[in-house]
Amino acid sequence: EPEVTQTPSHQVTQMGQEVILRCVPISNHLYFYWYRQILGQKVEFLVSFYNNEISEKSEIFDDQFSVERPDGSNFTLKIRSTKLEDSAMYFCASSGHGTAGGEKLFFGSGTQLSVL
Amino acid sequence: GENVEQHPSTLSVQEGDSAVIKCTYSDSASNYFPWYKQELGKRPQLIIDIRSNVGEKKDQRIAVTLNKTAKHFSLHITETQPEDSAVYFCAASDSNYQLIWGAGTKLIIKP
Repeated sequence: EPEVTQTPSHQVTQMGQEVILRCVPISNHLYFYWYRQILGQKVEFLVSFYNNEISEKSEIFDDQFSVERPDGSNFTLKIRSTKLEDSAMYFCASSGHGTAGGEKLFFGSGTQLSVL
Repeated sequence: GENVEQHPSTLSVQEGDSAVIKCTYSDSASNYFPWYKQELGKRPQLIIDIRSNVGEKKDQRIAVTLNKTAKHFSLHITETQPEDSAVYFCAASDSNYQLIWGAGTKLIIKP
């Protein structure tokens, strides 16, 4: 079964540093998402991406965050100047169609980001 | 925007008994309601989902019911087994691009 892959699995960074989290969505999917989960808490939507632009973003996704699809396969999340509260598990997901159509989300295994 | 409430936060049941987790949502336009199971340190895995044109869906020991009028939906697990222990999340889709998640229910299966 095709999978969403994420790298790295763990990332440790100093506060104020930039990080880039990488994802390879399932190849024929059109919608891409980033979610985050702070330890012990719910999964929170960050951003969705379709047709090479952001479709929707949450309040969490402020100017420090950006997403990019630099080529036909990768989908990246950049945090420009990390804060302690950015420490979380970041999940990438993809789907063939938007979820309102009942399309299933496929999640990657996540990147655990630790900001020191 | 959509708001999803999930109860209980923790549920402990005896192995073999049934478990029920309930969620409510606020946006009557929501039309897709998945349930995810998350084991410790792992990604959320979709276990069952339901669309708003259906009232109930069953897959072996797992079933989901939806009451659109009351805006609530529930997950039912029968004949629980130790491997059912995990955190379960409900979610509702309020647009083409975003799922709003409940806070999760930690299900503990006692041997």
